[in-house]
Amino acid sequence: GNSVTQMEGPVTLSEEAFLTINCTYTATGYPSLFWYVQYPGEGLQLLLKATKADDKGSNKGFEATYRKETTSFHLEKGSVQVSDSAVYFCALVDSGGYQKVTFGIGTKLQVIP
Amino acid sequence: GAGVSQSPSNKVTEKGKDVELRCDPISGHTALYWYRQSLGQGLEFLIYFQGNSAPDKSGLPSDRFSAERTGGSVSTLTIQRTQQEDSAVYLCASSPETGGDTEAFFGQGTRLTVV
Repeated sequence: GNSVTQMEGPVTLSEEAFLTINCTYTATGYPSLFWYVQYPGEGLQLLLKATKADDKGSNKGFEATYRKETTSFHLEKGSVQVSDSAVYFCALVDSGGYQKVTFGIGTKLQVIP
Repeated sequence: GAGVSQSPSNKVTEKGKDVELRCDPISGHTALYWYRQSLGQGLEFLIYFQGNSAPDKSGLPSDRFSAERTGGSVSTLTIQRTQQEDSAVYLCASSPETGGDTEAFFGQGTRLTVV
């Protein structure tokens, strides 16, 4: 079956540090890959996505590249801000339609001034 | 509505009581999901509805949990004889009838506390 593995948090960084949150996946088909973010006290929302190999998703300074050869979709940001403190979830939807979203366990990021 | 709506937003119940949680998906979305998020834990898949297909119930933790989706729209998650370990935030999400590009839109969740 499908699965998503994320690095366990929490991750604590100083403001302006470089961020990487690792995500690898297992899927039977050719999945689309997503990063969702949950800010404190808010619901989950889509951060970025990539639908095929070598695609790069980007939003709010975050980037992730769909790497089929390593089955990875690592999230990166060059310079984090305190406002980036949140829980980040990697997720996939397998190809073929009518497939449910499979989420990783989530990685909590805390950015300190 | 403009987004996924869940009610109530908070529910406190006594151990052993039954509870019903409601989800109104985005109009026209055929897929609907329920997840559970416990304190310090990730998203635990509970159940998935897609159109008129049989629901995927593989994530329901026990037979005390059940869910319905009436008319392909509103869904109700029912927990019978609640236990303290059922305390969590229950999230509902919906997505449109598309293929692998499916983005899930989440509600704000229902925080259930069993005392």
